[in-house]
Amino acid sequence: DGGITQSPKYLFRKEGQNVTLSCEQNLNHDAMYWYRQDPGQGLRLIYYSQIVNDFQKGDIAEGYSVSREKKESFPLTVTSAQKNPTAFYLCASSIIPSQGRQPQHFGDGTRLSIL
Amino acid sequence: SQKIEQNSEALNIQEGKTATLTCNYTNYSPAYLQWYRQDPGRGPVFLLLIRENEKEKRKERLKVTFDTTLKQSLFHITASQPADSATYLCALTAAGNMLTFGGGTRLMVKP
Repeated sequence: DGGITQSPKYLFRKEGQNVTLSCEQNLNHDAMYWYRQDPGQGLRLIYYSQIVNDFQKGDIAEGYSVSREKKESFPLTVTSAQKNPTAFYLCASSIIPSQGRQPQHFGDGTRLSIL
Repeated sequence: SQKIEQNSEALNIQEGKTATLTCNYTNYSPAYLQWYRQDPGRGPVFLLLIRENEKEKRKERLKVTFDTTLKQSLFHITASQPADSATYLCALTAAGNMLTFGGGTRLMVKP
């Protein structure tokens, strides 16, 4: 079955440490997205990529970095510059750069906490 | 500023009744509106998409309406079941922009 795989499911970060969240899709989708979800809040867009080797900042990109070296993969690094990283991180993809015309397919998230 | 508002309080209904969830928006002229279901600890799952020129969309027990004058979308689940219990998110976009999500409403269907 095609889908999006996020790993790990739970991740703990120490002070001053960078951590990388994995996102892999086998849906052959061009566009991929990273969102952050805090309790009681909507999903907020961190970064998105419409094509390999290209990505754009979303609404809350500060303290995060991404890469898109392969169509299937879009890892997110939470850097030490992100002072409040505790959240649920969701990766998504869509068949074309969505802009609302196509549904987004989501992984099951990574929950990041501070040690 | 642009806002998408969903009732943050949980909606509790009895099995078999129709659940109605509301999504209001301000300072948007959305071209598309989508509804997703999210279970605890899981990612959202797409349910329905409605365009600005469509008044209503149906899929099995689900119905979505889109009123651009009232700036509101209603999401209905008829003959609700305990398995429908989840958080429901609305998301919308103006033409050329990224999808923006509301905070979601939790639905609890009691047997």
